[in-house]
Amino acid sequence: SYELTQPPSVSVSPGQTARITCSGDALPRKYVYWYQQKSGQAPVLVIYEDSKRPSDIPEKFSGSSSGTMATLTVRGAQVEDEGDYYCYSTDSSGDLRVFGRGTKLTVL
Amino acid sequence: EVHLVESGGGLAQPGRSLRLSCAASGFPFGDYAMHWVRQVPGRGLEWVSGIGYDSGTIAYADSVKGRFTISRDNAKNSLYLQMDSLRVEDMAFYYCAKGGLRNDAFDVWGQGTLVTVSS
Repeated sequence: SYELTQPPSVSVSPGQTARITCSGDALPRKYVYWYQQKSGQAPVLVIYEDSKRPSDIPEKFSGSSSGTMATLTVRGAQVEDEGDYYCYSTDSSGDLRVFGRGTKLTVL
Repeated sequence: EVHLVESGGGLAQPGRSLRLSCAASGFPFGDYAMHWVRQVPGRGLEWVSGIGYDSGTIAYADSVKGRFTISRDNAKNSLYLQMDSLRVEDMAFYYCAKGGLRNDAFDVWGQGTLVTVSS
C-alpha cells in the first residue's frame, strides 16, 4: 500500500498565509495534485503537477514540492477558503493512486 | 459548459449489484481519461477506478479489484461502473471525474450519486 500524510487540521486568522503539507515516499518522482472540497460540494482542482494552477483558480493558491513533501499555500486566507483540502498522487510504479486523508482549513 | 452527471445510485443489499452511469457533455469525451472517486459521508476521498481515453488502460483500487468493472462508450459520451458483490463498506457517494490529457488532474467532477448498501 501507499500513503500520503497530511495534518488533520490547519487554522489561521483572516489575511494570514495557510500552509498545508503532504508527505509521501514517491513524491520526489511523482506529481502532486491538490483538491479543495467545501461542505456539501464536489471537490475542485486547485493545483496540478505540483505547482500549476488552473486558469479559474485565484493566484492566492500556490503549490510546491521538494523531496518527499509537497505544500499547498493559501496566501491571504479568507473565510471563503475554508474547507477540506486533499493531496493526490501515485506510488513509484504509478499503479496505486491515493488521496491523502485531508486537511481541514479553518479561517477565524 | 462542461458537465458530468452521475446516475444509478440507490439502495442495494450486500452481495447484490448496481451499475452507475456518468453522462458527459461540453468537452470531447473520447479524448480524456475518466475516473470514479468515492467518499463515505463525513470521510475522505478514495480513488476507485480509472479508464484511458480509448479503454486501453484500466486500473482499480485494491479495495474493489475483482468486484467492480469500469467501462465507457465514447459514442454515447458515457462512463460506467458495474459494481458486483457489494459490501457495506462500499456505501459512499460516487463521483465521476474527468482526467487530464496526460495526467491525473481531475478538473471536472460530477455532483455525485449515493450508493447505500444495507440489508
